[in-house]
Order: sequence, then structure tokens, then C-alpha cells
Amino acid sequence: AQSVTQLDSQVPVFEEAPVELRCNYSSSVSVYLFWYVQYPNQGLQLLLKYLSGSTLVESINGFEAEFNKSQTSFHLRKPSVHISDTAEYFCAVSDREGSNYKLTFGKGTLLTVNP
Amino acid sequence: DTGVSQDPRHKITKRGQNVTFRCDPISEHNRLYWYRQTLGQGPEFLTYFQNEAQLEKSRLLSDRFSAERPKGSFSTLEIQRTEQGDSAMYLCASSVAGRQFFGPGTRLTVL
Repeated sequence: AQSVTQLDSQVPVFEEAPVELRCNYSSSVSVYLFWYVQYPNQGLQLLLKYLSGSTLVESINGFEAEFNKSQTSFHLRKPSVHISDTAEYFCAVSDREGSNYKLTFGKGTLLTVNP
Repeated sequence: DTGVSQDPRHKITKRGQNVTFRCDPISEHNRLYWYRQTLGQGPEFLTYFQNEAQLEKSRLLSDRFSAERPKGSFSTLEIQRTEQGDSAMYLCASSVAGRQFFGPGTRLTVL
């Protein structure tokens, strides 16, 4: 079984400031790691994923996340946020050794970018 | 738009009534998932299909819940004798090669 902890339920920041959204996971097996974003009144969208290889993964809109196996973390960062980044962000894992790829999500972090 | 679609987007019902939701996955996606999201929580896995076969059900899926995917295309999720605790957003996702694409969800309110 897996579990995901997102340490901050809300993160308010000013536009152009850096931001880090924290995610820690617990699992008895190896996992794949994901960040999903949910904009107001929209469905969940995949932001980035770690499957294998380089532990630093990047999205097309400037976010990055680094897989740290020893700390069981997958924190999401962006050096300079925009108002349009306001959304809820969910960290998720799935069992690498299983075949169903079901996702276990954290409770989410609401990022609010203020002008 | 060829994404995952869900119908209806909103459903208000009275306690004790039955409700049915529909999910149309992206065509050719052989896997289909249902999740439930309550206020302040992340989505929780309910069940998943590979083609028409329902391969796993969460213990969250009580016997009042039933899901089908006839012919491996669209899927339906039925809740019988709804309870106020069933109020939530019901999300559907389809996938191929492990990446899941989510629909907009059906928000259920049980009065």
C-alpha cells in the first residue's frame, strides 16, 4: 500500500516569487511519481511525471520536480510564478511493480498567486 | 475535443434515490478508472477496467455501487439508495501506456 503526504494545504505567494510545493510518499514497493494540476472548474491534468532515469523532471510551463529516494520526496518547484499558476496541485504515486497503474493521491495543495 | 467526457456534470438527488453516471474514454484507451474526490481530499481510487473486464475494486466501493464497461467502450457507475455521504466529485480517467487522462468529473449532491 502507498500513501502520499502533501505538507501544505494552502500556499499563497506573490507573482514572480519562487514556490515549492512539498510531497512525501510512503510505499513498500518502488513507485512512479506524478504531479497533477486542477485549474478552477477543470479536470485534473498531468503536470509532470517521474518514471525512471534523471531524478529531475521538468514541465513545459516552467515547473520542475526532483525525486529523492532517500527522503521519499518529490517536491514541486517553480522559480517565478504567474497569476495563471493559481490552481490546486496533487502529488500522486502508482505501484511500479503492479499492473493496474492506479493512482494514490495526496490531499492537494492550493497555490494562490497574488498580484 | 477528443478527451475524456463525463455526463452529467452535476447531479442533485434525494437520499434513497438511484443515480447513474456515464464516462466516455478517449477512443482506443483500453484502461478506464473511476475515482471519488470529497471536499478537501485528493481523489481516491474506486475501480478499474481493462477493456470490458473489471479487474479491481476498492473497499470504498460498497455493494450499493456498481460499475460496468460493456464492450470495453464507455463506462457507467451506478449508486443505489444514495446516502448523504455519497456526495462527492466522481472522476473518470482513461489510459494507455500508464498515463491517465481525466475527465471533468460529475459532482453529486445528495440532499
